[in-house]
Formats: sequence, structure tokens, C-alpha cells
Amino acid sequence: ETGVTQTPRHLVMGMTNKKSLKCEQHLGHNAMYWYKQSAKKPLELMFVYSLEERVENNSVPSRFSPECPNSSHLFLHLHTLQPEDSALYLCASSQERGQFYEQYFGPGTRLTVT
Amino acid sequence: AQSVTQPDIHITVSEGASLELRCNYSYGATPYLFWYVQSPGQGLQLLLKYFSGDTLVQGIKGFEAEFKRSQSSFNLRKPSVHWSDAAEYFCAVGAWNNDMRFGAGTRLTVKP
Repeated sequence: ETGVTQTPRHLVMGMTNKKSLKCEQHLGHNAMYWYKQSAKKPLELMFVYSLEERVENNSVPSRFSPECPNSSHLFLHLHTLQPEDSALYLCASSQERGQFYEQYFGPGTRLTVT
Repeated sequence: AQSVTQPDIHITVSEGASLELRCNYSYGATPYLFWYVQSPGQGLQLLLKYFSGDTLVQGIKGFEAEFKRSQSSFNLRKPSVHWSDAAEYFCAVGAWNNDMRFGAGTRLTVKP
């Protein structure tokens, strides 16, 4: 595997379910990101991890819970979601956190909340 | 904080025609500017970036972009569009000690 991978690619869940999204990067990067992509809206940065430490949480509801057990893996735990949470969730990584470093994106998980 | 505006939600061009996608940013100092492309069902891929120096930057797939400080713009261009260029294009701006901010994207349709 190369680059940034995400599983599952598609997820349908009810509002009372609990599920997790997984991201793995094979690039040796130290920073990882979760973004939410909704139709016709800019990408929304949700969480940033640098060296496995959460450094930013952009007022994301607590029903989204990130976890970064090591610099290669990032999870997004989901529970009691709302229909408006349906979106494409993108994971990205960069060599370090900061504006100098390009981000490499995974293909995303298409989430539908019913 | 920095912000990005992509004025065109959707653009249609004929194959072989030239292309220009607009991007305007808001930031008080020198920004770090990026263009990404997203094909259907895929993540974002970096096309090119500007940090400093020559204001005309070359990227992959025959794309280029020009930084114009006076207009706060970083427009993406391609002299001759191919059908495979149909995708969504995102402009992004990075700023000192801040993470990247993305525009809402411009969807490009290429007519045969």
C-alpha cells in the first residue's frame, strides 16, 4: 500500500449506531488531518494531529471523536450522528504540520446517516 | 485568519480550449497558495504550489498558476484542456502558524 488509505470507502449508518473510520498513511509523515467535505461548501478542517498529539479541534461536535494511536494511523469514532453529518470524510497527512507542507489525501469515506 | 474564494462554482469548456479558474484569497501577509484537483471518488491531489519567488508556477498535467499580489489572486490556467481534466478544482491558502483553508471548489466539465 502506498500513500494514504481510508476504510471503509462507503458507510451507511443509523442515527443510533456507533462506527469508526480508519485512515492509514504509508509516507512517514508526522501530521494527520480529518476533513469534512459537503456539497458546495469548502472543506472543513475537523481535527489536526501532530506527532500523535491533537493540536486543533475546530468546534466539532462531541459525537465525532478522533484517535491517533501512532503517527501512521488515525481514526474517527462516530456515535449518535445526525442526517446533516452525511458527507465525504477525507483524511490527509503531511510531513509536518504547517503551511509549508503539502497535504496528501486519501480517497475518503462516503458517509450516509439515515 | 486567511480565507479563499473561488467565484465560479461550475465551468464548462470545450476540449482543446484554454482554461482559467479563478481564486482570490484574503490574508494580510504573503500567503502560501495551492491548487488541488479531485477526480470523482478520489481524494485531492496537489497540482502546484506557490511560496515565494517567480510568480508564475508550473505544475503537473500541464497546469500553471500566476500569483498577483495586487489582485489577491492565484488563478489556474491550462492552454489546452483534455477530457481527462474534468474534475473539481480547489484553491487553498496557508498562513503563518495556521493550517490550510480551502475554497468551495470549481467543477470543470469538458465538452467533446
